[in-house]
Amino acid sequence: AQSVTQLGSHVSVSEGALVLLRCNYSSSVPPYLFWYVQYPNQGLQLLLKYTTGATLVKGINGFEAEFKKSETSFHLTKPSAHMSDAAEYFCAVSRPNYGQNFVFGPGTRLSVLP
Amino acid sequence: DTAVSQTPKYLVTQMGNDKSIKCEQNLGHDTMYWYKQDSKKFLKIMFSYNNKELIINETVPNRFSPKSPDKAHLNLHINSLELGDSAVYFCASSQIGEISNYGYTFGSGTRLTVV
Repeated sequence: AQSVTQLGSHVSVSEGALVLLRCNYSSSVPPYLFWYVQYPNQGLQLLLKYTTGATLVKGINGFEAEFKKSETSFHLTKPSAHMSDAAEYFCAVSRPNYGQNFVFGPGTRLSVLP
Repeated sequence: DTAVSQTPKYLVTQMGNDKSIKCEQNLGHDTMYWYKQDSKKFLKIMFSYNNKELIINETVPNRFSPKSPDKAHLNLHINSLELGDSAVYFCASSQIGEISNYGYTFGSGTRLTVV
């Protein structure tokens, strides 16, 4: 069975500061990993994904994440936070070839302070 | 064109009523899902249909019944609504075998409030 944990249900950063949202997973097979963002009163939008290949993946809006197999982590970072980044962020894991087994983490709410 | 569209966006109803939420996707995906997001933002899968066949049916009260008339539509009917059903319900779709390319595509959600 797969599972996802996100350390910190709420993270606050100042505008311009580094954003780091943590995600750890457990999976019996090499997983596919995703980050989704949910802006207030909206659906979930795919930020970035890791499937195979390069372990550092870049997504939209300046976000990137690095897959570290030894740490079973897929932390999301952005060098400089913008006010518009304030949202809920979800890490998710999927078992390759079993797309229906898509498990979300509990989410981290990012607040950006002026 | 909205890729995954849900209607209605907001639904306020009294306890005991029966209501339906509709979902349609125009992406040509073969799999659709219903997720429930509670007040703490936790997302939990409820159902999944692949080519109109039920493939995931999590522990959900049998008051909830999904119906997929075709692979582009997945509706959710809820009988005898209870206060605890209040949540945001998200529809999503994907193409099995192409998860690596696109992940899931989500609708904008239906906020259900039971009073």
